Amino acid sequence: GAGVSQSPSNKVTEKGKDVELRCDPISGHTALYWYRQSLGQGLEFLIYFQGNSAPDKSGLPSDRFSAERTGGSVSTLTIQRTQQEDSAVYLCASSLTSGANNEQFFGPGTRLTVL
Amino acid sequence: KNEVEQSPQNLTAQEGEFITINCSYSVGISALHWLQQHPGGGIVSLFMLSSGKKKHGRLIATINIQEKHSSLHITASHPRDSAVYICATRRGAQKLVFGQGTRLTINP
Repeated sequence: GAGVSQSPSNKVTEKGKDVELRCDPISGHTALYWYRQSLGQGLEFLIYFQGNSAPDKSGLPSDRFSAERTGGSVSTLTIQRTQQEDSAVYLCASSLTSGANNEQFFGPGTRLTVL
Repeated sequence: KNEVEQSPQNLTAQEGEFITINCSYSVGISALHWLQQHPGGGIVSLFMLSSGKKKHGRLIATINIQEKHSSLHITASHPRDSAVYICATRRGAQKLVFGQGTRLTINP
């Protein structure tokens, strides 16, 4: 597939459990972004990777959230001890580089529901 | 006040009408994006611009850097244009800052 893929597409979990969300960027894209869209809210930035390093983690809402990227490709967003307010659609995007003139391509998102 | 403000929040129009969605931002930016989000949730990038005007089919995006304002226009609107349109700004090389979105409904 040529686009950004995310898995799972839907995840329902119980409060207190840990979840892992996966993003496969477009092949060759060095920059990868995680965003969140809560119900009725706009999109908000979580974290950005250039290669395997994360120069900007400013959007992570708490220390329960972490992300990693290995091999400059796949990224995993982990939420520990999930809370109901974590329920949202988590979107991943990638771009060729992190340069300002590079378009970001979005994945279909993972809808997380915390019961 | 949000860094990126869109208006209107909701817009309903009849098929064929000319549509304008506005976006104002409060800080200097390197680029502005217009995104489209359909009811299924998928986001598609429509335009990325840093000056002037871009056109793609029936869609036109303009930006005025001095006034910190951008507009998205849709000519000859169609029900399939119904979606949420999101303006997002980019400062430097990294993250996007999003407006709240404009929900557009085009009735046949």
